Amino acid sequence: RKEVEQDPGPFNVPEGATVAFNCTYSNSASQSFFWYRQDCRKEPKLLMSVYSSGNEDGRFTAQLNRASQYISLLIRDSKLSDSATYLCVVREGGNNRKLIWGLGTSLAVNP
Amino acid sequence: NAGVTQTPKFQVLKTGQSMTLQCAQDMNHEYMSWYRQDPGMGLRLIHYSVGAGITDQGEVPNGYNVSRSTTEDFPLRLLSAAPSQTSVYFCASGKTSYGYTFGSGTRLTVV
Repeated sequence: RKEVEQDPGPFNVPEGATVAFNCTYSNSASQSFFWYRQDCRKEPKLLMSVYSSGNEDGRFTAQLNRASQYISLLIRDSKLSDSATYLCVVREGGNNRKLIWGLGTSLAVNP
Repeated sequence: NAGVTQTPKFQVLKTGQSMTLQCAQDMNHEYMSWYRQDPGMGLRLIHYSVGAGITDQGEVPNGYNVSRSTTEDFPLRLLSAAPSQTSVYFCASGKTSYGYTFGSGTRLTVV
């Protein structure tokens, strides 16, 4: 089993739609969780951290479920500019600050 | 505040040549790392550093060297380029508990 797994997609949605991505992780001792966004041929950019209580940033909501070892990202009212690959990232605990990266979920928002 | 600066943006090498990819950050981040990104493989950690004078290997370190003489700079050296090292290379930096900032990447082709 991969350490961090994501559905590669692509997810094709119309503008204004709500779309959700899930990501599962295998290490129950993982400490920190992030969603990154990567546009084609660009560097990954931090979208949001994921907190235990869940957190929201505008149209984006991230949730963590430690019991089932998954995190989710919900995008409401999708915009054309949301088209990108969304990367799930997990940081291991302890002194090991290693980040484990998912392969990403591709989103295409269509007019 | 320039963030993370990577140079060069593009490079073509012949097999057996050596070169250094430069990475500098002006955010006083303790943690810096080098990744390579290949289609279908996701981001793979090459080397990382948790502070000046401290470096360690990631998951794909063979063929690469790093040094961290200052907090700001973290160069990556390709010792003897091979076609298998054709990839996009990203440098990233960050604080311990937060997400990382990436440079804009170096597209390397080894012929």
